Amino acid sequence: EAGVVQSPRYKIIEKKQPVAFWCNPISGHNTLYWYLQNLGQGPELLIRYENEEAVDDSQLPKDRFSAERLKGVDSTLKIQPAELGDSAVYLCASSGGGQGAYNEQFFGPGTRLTVL
Amino acid sequence: GEDVEQSLFLSVREGDSSVINCTYTDSSSTYLYWYKQEPGAGLQLLTYIFSNMDMKQDQRLTVLLNKKDKHLSLRIADTQTGDSAIYFCAESGRSGNTGKLIFGQGTTLQVKP
Repeated sequence: EAGVVQSPRYKIIEKKQPVAFWCNPISGHNTLYWYLQNLGQGPELLIRYENEEAVDDSQLPKDRFSAERLKGVDSTLKIQPAELGDSAVYLCASSGGGQGAYNEQFFGPGTRLTVL
Repeated sequence: GEDVEQSLFLSVREGDSSVINCTYTDSSSTYLYWYKQEPGAGLQLLTYIFSNMDMKQDQRLTVLLNKKDKHLSLRIADTQTGDSAIYFCAESGRSGNTGKLIFGQGTTLQVKP
């Protein structure tokens, strides 16, 4: 079974340019997460989807970040315009969801963004 | 608030035991997790423990939970060079089973031959 797929793996852009990351979760997983991982830090949740609905986007900087999961399957995270401080690894994860379970999250390899 | 703290670095010799420690703040956390991250890769769930348990053993891994002190540890027996990675402690936090994880900053484990 394929894991969580992310593309691109690496992206280098100049500041003020737009950038987009794509994630395809594990088949059948209705919960999708985008995390931000700064160098030397643990991941921090940006947004969580249940199917196509964003149920927790409290940590998403909405002035420049946006995300969508139109058909409740794959998802896109966009930054426009990018700033130097956005250089980080953007991780996507998915889980089967459901109440009461330990709700294992499966992580993709991440997209490493460098803003020059 | 929700916060997870870990020591940043641990170095051991191959064959020794490794103990990675973590403290957390949210006593309502239902689950506590240990993830492993190898260079250039995503996070891999190693093990988890339910908050009403004190200990969980899974092959070379032993998780100890002291709920009173909000202290979690991961012991790796017979540490191998392939265990070299960053280990993250995470709690489910106030969100309970809704899926939001609060991660520590990670402990880099270096295993010397």
